[in-house]
Amino acid sequence: EPEVTQTPSHQVTQMGQEVILRCVPISNHLYFYWYRQILGQKVEFLVSFYNNEISEKSEIFDDQFSVERPDGSNFTLKIRSTKLEDSAMYFCASSAFSGGTGELFFGEGSRLTVL
Amino acid sequence: GIQVEQSPPDLILQEGANSTLRCNFSDSVNNLQWFHQNPWGQLINLFYIPSGTKQNGRLSATTVATERYSLLYISSSQTTDSGVYFCAVLGYGGSQGNLIFGKGTKLSVKP
Repeated sequence: EPEVTQTPSHQVTQMGQEVILRCVPISNHLYFYWYRQILGQKVEFLVSFYNNEISEKSEIFDDQFSVERPDGSNFTLKIRSTKLEDSAMYFCASSAFSGGTGELFFGEGSRLTVL
Repeated sequence: GIQVEQSPPDLILQEGANSTLRCNFSDSVNNLQWFHQNPWGQLINLFYIPSGTKQNGRLSATTVATERYSLLYISSSQTTDSGVYFCAVLGYGGSQGNLIFGKGTKLSVKP
């Protein structure tokens, strides 16, 4: 069964460093998403991406964050200068149709620890 | 915005027992999904079920859209079922792919 894959599974970084989290969505999917879960809290939407541009973003997704689809298979989340409060589990998801009409398939997550 | 309430918040079971987890939502939805987050933090897709009933092995789910709730049934629970179960919804007119997650039900299955 096709699945969304994420790398790395765990990354430890120093405050102020840049981090790139990578995702390979399901191959025929057109819509891509990033979500975040701070330890012990709810999973929260960050951003959705379609047709090579951001279609929606939350208040959390400030100028420190950016997303990119650098080639036909990868979808990346970049955090420019990490802060302690960026420590969280980051989930990538993809869907064949708009999220309002189809299932979102989630990857298993990338845990980011900022020291 | 749409509100999602899950109950119970915590559940402790003996291995082999059955359980029912509930998800209430405050408005009509056109997307509802159930997830299992295992003790390592990984999020596992369980069901896409905006309406109706689905079954997958020992798990089944029912969504009654007109009554604004969904139920997840776990039968013959195993220790590997432990973790947090999340319900997530997208309301009609909701933002693109912005699933709203509940706080989850933390399930502990004891051997």
